[in-house]
Amino acid sequence: DGGITQSPKYLFRKEGQNVTLSCEQNLNHDAMYWYRQDPGQGLRLIYYSQIVNDFQKGDIAEGYSVSREKKESFPLTVTSAQKNPTAFYLCASSPGQTNIQYFGAGTRLSVL
Amino acid sequence: KNQVEQSPQSLIILEGKNCTLQCNYTVSPFSNLRWYKQDTGRGPVSLTIMTFSENTKSNGRYTATLDADTKQSSLHITASQLSDSASYICVVTNTNAGKSTFGDGTTLTVKP
Repeated sequence: DGGITQSPKYLFRKEGQNVTLSCEQNLNHDAMYWYRQDPGQGLRLIYYSQIVNDFQKGDIAEGYSVSREKKESFPLTVTSAQKNPTAFYLCASSPGQTNIQYFGAGTRLSVL
Repeated sequence: KNQVEQSPQSLIILEGKNCTLQCNYTVSPFSNLRWYKQDTGRGPVSLTIMTFSENTKSNGRYTATLDADTKQSSLHITASQLSDSASYICVVTNTNAGKSTFGDGTTLTVKP
């Protein structure tokens, strides 16, 4: 069953805490992306990776960090420096940067 | 500046009726334009992808058009169903580094 899997579905963060969102794909895609979606707004790019061990900042990278040690995995860490982390986070992958992106089901992050 | 503007912001129609959503963009140089459907609390799912040379593409009851000269696209939904209630997102990718620009989406509500 091919696809892109995000976990957990819901996540709660305490003040000053770092949390990590998981994203795994078995589509053999080279490119992976992280987006943030706030209510009533469009998707905003946080980070993207075109190849293993390489990634670039998107439009709103401050307060976030990523790694790409394996082709299948692209975890996102929301650090304590991100002062307004409450949002819906979406991970996507694509064969290349100009191709259709396939999205996961999302992780909803809230602050306690 | 690359921008994608969608209209209307929201739309309510009765089941069985047709509707058309609009997308205007200033992204250049153009690579492709994609329409996604996003159900509430889920990840977006691709409906169509069009390149410069394509001006119409259908996916079941969804038909997308592209006018690359005026930089406009539309998504026409025929014989709407309750399950069409969702947000519809227009995404335009440029050929420079393959960067994608997302519209804010049109929220469609289909009522019985």
